[in-house]
Amino acid sequence: GQQVMQIPQYQHVQEGEDFTTYCNSSTTLSNIQWYKQRPGGHPVFLIQLVKSGEVKKQKRLTFQFGEAKKNSSLHITATQTTDVGTYFCAGPAGGSYIPTFGRGTSLIVHP
Amino acid sequence: GAGVSQSPSNKVTEKGKDVELRCDPISGHTALYWYRQSLGQGLEFLIYFQGNSAPDKSGLPSDRFSAERTGGSVSTLTIQRTQQEDSAVYLCASSLVRVDLNSPGMHSGNTIYFGEGSWLTVV
Repeated sequence: GQQVMQIPQYQHVQEGEDFTTYCNSSTTLSNIQWYKQRPGGHPVFLIQLVKSGEVKKQKRLTFQFGEAKKNSSLHITATQTTDVGTYFCAGPAGGSYIPTFGRGTSLIVHP
Repeated sequence: GAGVSQSPSNKVTEKGKDVELRCDPISGHTALYWYRQSLGQGLEFLIYFQGNSAPDKSGLPSDRFSAERTGGSVSTLTIQRTQQEDSAVYLCASSLVRVDLNSPGMHSGNTIYFGEGSWLTVV
């Protein structure tokens, strides 16, 4: 079945440093979504990418969808303590309509 | 309500007891999902409802787990004879998309909205 892998599992950064998390699928994705889960909270939708090679920005966050639609990345510029949390990617593979989530990348920002 | 509502928010139960977890999705959302998240882990898919039917139950860990949805709205996840390994956060989510099983893949706009979760501890 389809698997969605995320790396790294954890990332410690100093406030102001950049951060990137990568998501890779074993199969082609029709679209990919990113969610953020604050400690003790629930996942909250951030963005959806649909087109091959698509790039979207939300303030300091940049989301990319690979040309082959098998990988994606989330890059945060100049991290702040409010960015702390676990970032999940999720996507269905062809034939699957259930959002399959990666294990997430936990971002720890040191002031 | 404005968001996905889950109850109870916290539940401590003794091993061997049955528990029921309730989910009230966003009004009008046809799709409903149950996920489980163990401490520090990712989201494990359990079951999906489209309306009142559950086309995909493949994620249910064992026959102790069952779920139903009535009136295309509220869903209940039941765990019978709970075990310590059932301890986790049970997250319910809903979305607007109407899935066409003949056209696989999510459609644009299928944003999933999660509830706060039900934190289950089996002692």
